[in-house]
Amino acid sequence: LAKTTQPISMDSYEGQEVNITCSHNNIATNDYITWYQQFPSQGPRFIIQGYKTKVTNEVASLFIPADRKSSTLSLPRVSLSDTAVYYCLVGDGNQGGKLIFGQGTELSVKP
Amino acid sequence: GAVVSQHPSWVICKSGTSVKIECRSLDFQATTMFWYRQFPKQSLMLMATSNEGSKATYEQGVEKDKFLINHASLTLSTLTVTSAHPEDSSFYICSARGPREGAANEQFFGPGTRLTVL
Repeated sequence: LAKTTQPISMDSYEGQEVNITCSHNNIATNDYITWYQQFPSQGPRFIIQGYKTKVTNEVASLFIPADRKSSTLSLPRVSLSDTAVYYCLVGDGNQGGKLIFGQGTELSVKP
Repeated sequence: GAVVSQHPSWVICKSGTSVKIECRSLDFQATTMFWYRQFPKQSLMLMATSNEGSKATYEQGVEKDKFLINHASLTLSTLTVTSAHPEDSSFYICSARGPREGAANEQFFGPGTRLTVL
């Protein structure tokens, strides 16, 4: 399972766009990139998943360059309720579907 | 869809007792469920993979005799912390692999169970 590296913490203000970048230099050909969000004392929540280029859903966008060695989660116009820990995970779901969580990025959104 | 529940949401027990935590997939069948443990200000640590009808696969360093996992049906997995001690106090989270075919890494997590051992 590929190791991921993210910033430990980020600060932002309401209404700003937030981009969180994750490095995964050892990503394998069959690996997907998945992002989860976790609030304190809650289970993680699936945000978005992608394999290459760009993926967008109702809450976020995921940008993946051609070499796939990194990815960027983009949160448009964040609000206070987006304050949470964001985890980037890489895997192909074929190793028993195991997910190995890295340290995550603690995002703090200020008014 | 794809909702996972856990019961109880929190539990306090005395040292030496055993505690059972249930994880249920409410609207889909989950042949594979996972159990995680999370200490304050730390990331989730995978404890074991629970497969319906077979023995659980434990991660290195996790005592299988202390953390008993039973996945008796396609919608229920249980984690029993046996002879609990204060150092077992933690936030226990389960997840179930999503129902979509080919959906790599898509897991749905329960709300977690806060265990406090006195």
